[in-house]
Amino acid sequence: QVQVVQSGAEVKKPGASVKVSCKASGYTFTSYYIHWVRQAPGQGLEWMGVINPSGGSTSYAQKFQGRVTMTRDTSTSTVYMELSSLRSEDTAMYYCARGANWGVRSAFDIWGQGTMVTVSS
Amino acid sequence: EILLTQSPGTLSLSPGERATLSCRASQSVSSKDLAWYQQKPGQAPRLLIYGASSRATGIPDRFSGSGSGTDFTLTISRLEPEDFAVYYCQQYGSSLLTFGGGTNVEIK
Repeated sequence: QVQVVQSGAEVKKPGASVKVSCKASGYTFTSYYIHWVRQAPGQGLEWMGVINPSGGSTSYAQKFQGRVTMTRDTSTSTVYMELSSLRSEDTAMYYCARGANWGVRSAFDIWGQGTMVTVSS
Repeated sequence: EILLTQSPGTLSLSPGERATLSCRASQSVSSKDLAWYQQKPGQAPRLLIYGASSRATGIPDRFSGSGSGTDFTLTISRLEPEDFAVYYCQQYGSSLLTFGGGTNVEIK
């Protein structure tokens, strides 16, 4: 079936980096953009950015510019999201989600199970 | 940045009742590029509605979306026990995608 499966929970110290993976299966990996959305505990949803798995181009929310890097590996149908200079406010559940239509501007039809990232000294 | 304001923050209803959720945008959302999601505790969000009024695959017809411009509505015609959850709207009419703050539909 169509799914995206994320890597497991992470605990990091302030100032460190985290890299979360998102492996796609059940569809043509290069035909759909992958977005990243995060959710702090008890809070709402926040869009971080998107990657085109075909060419590797990215678009990031201004808030995360300079701290986030999204990459992909077409040989394993996997997308990665790396967030650097972590602070306590980055403690959140991080989701990858497939764009329902081609391009940056899209709803999200398939979601990963989420990866909890905890930033604590 | 297009800000989305959802109201009410909490909706207390009984099974079988009708739920009406509102999502208001700070500026017009182009091409009705608005989606609705349902999120239950400990789960990822699930796409319900896209294009303001089109149901996603497998979504029951008791869920309907309407609206355009700056005012959008999600209606659940008759609440089933599994519909009690948090609902989010999301706009994708601009290249900075944004979500509303959510409406919690709780059992009265």
